[in-house]
Amino acid sequence: EDQVTQSPEALRLQEGESSSLNCSYTVSGLRGLFWYRQDPGKGPEFLFTLYSAGEEKEKERLKATLTKKESFLHITAPKPEDSATYLCAVQAQGRGSTLGRLYFGRGTQLTVWP
Amino acid sequence: NAGVTQTPKFRVLKTGQSMTLLCAQDMNHEYMYWYRQDPGMGLRLIHYSVGEGTTAKGEVPDGYNVSRLKKQNFLLGLESAAPSQTSVYFCASTGGDRGLGQPQHFGDGTRLSIL
Repeated sequence: EDQVTQSPEALRLQEGESSSLNCSYTVSGLRGLFWYRQDPGKGPEFLFTLYSAGEEKEKERLKATLTKKESFLHITAPKPEDSATYLCAVQAQGRGSTLGRLYFGRGTQLTVWP
Repeated sequence: NAGVTQTPKFRVLKTGQSMTLLCAQDMNHEYMYWYRQDPGMGLRLIHYSVGEGTTAKGEVPDGYNVSRLKKQNFLLGLESAAPSQTSVYFCASTGGDRGLGQPQHFGDGTRLSIL
């Protein structure tokens, strides 16, 4: 059973066309939700951590928000260099063998064309 | 700022061969992880370690072994490679209180093909 679902799988935007990526999750007790950016041939690069519903984080053209069921990554006036795959991961309260484990979604592949 | 370094970056093996992937981190992190990433799937945890000398199974451990003899290094071994193990392998590390609420930092991966 998927615990983290990202949508859409792929998104094409024209430069300057704002949009949002979605990450919905089902875990019993959220300890943290993480957003990563992954460029082709590279490892995931950490962007944000969100801990509780209502929290927001911003970095340049990216803004991440969190509710009790989902998170959004808003991209304002994107540029071609924002093209990448964006990954969402959640960490549950858990215990024992699951303590600290991250559960990743499959990612949203974003392409921004000039 | 090296962070997490993985070697080798690419490797091609024949079915039945063995090899070891090396992960090294210079952030003094206690927790280290090995993931595999396959097309259309999220990152899946293979094995992890909560400290020097300790290892534990993740979500997809079969066919792999690991060792953490030094705090900064985490090795992933394939004893008898199979085509199903063709994948991109990522190592990650994190610190803090049991890694809770802390982001994991990733290397750039090892691309492994099994023929």
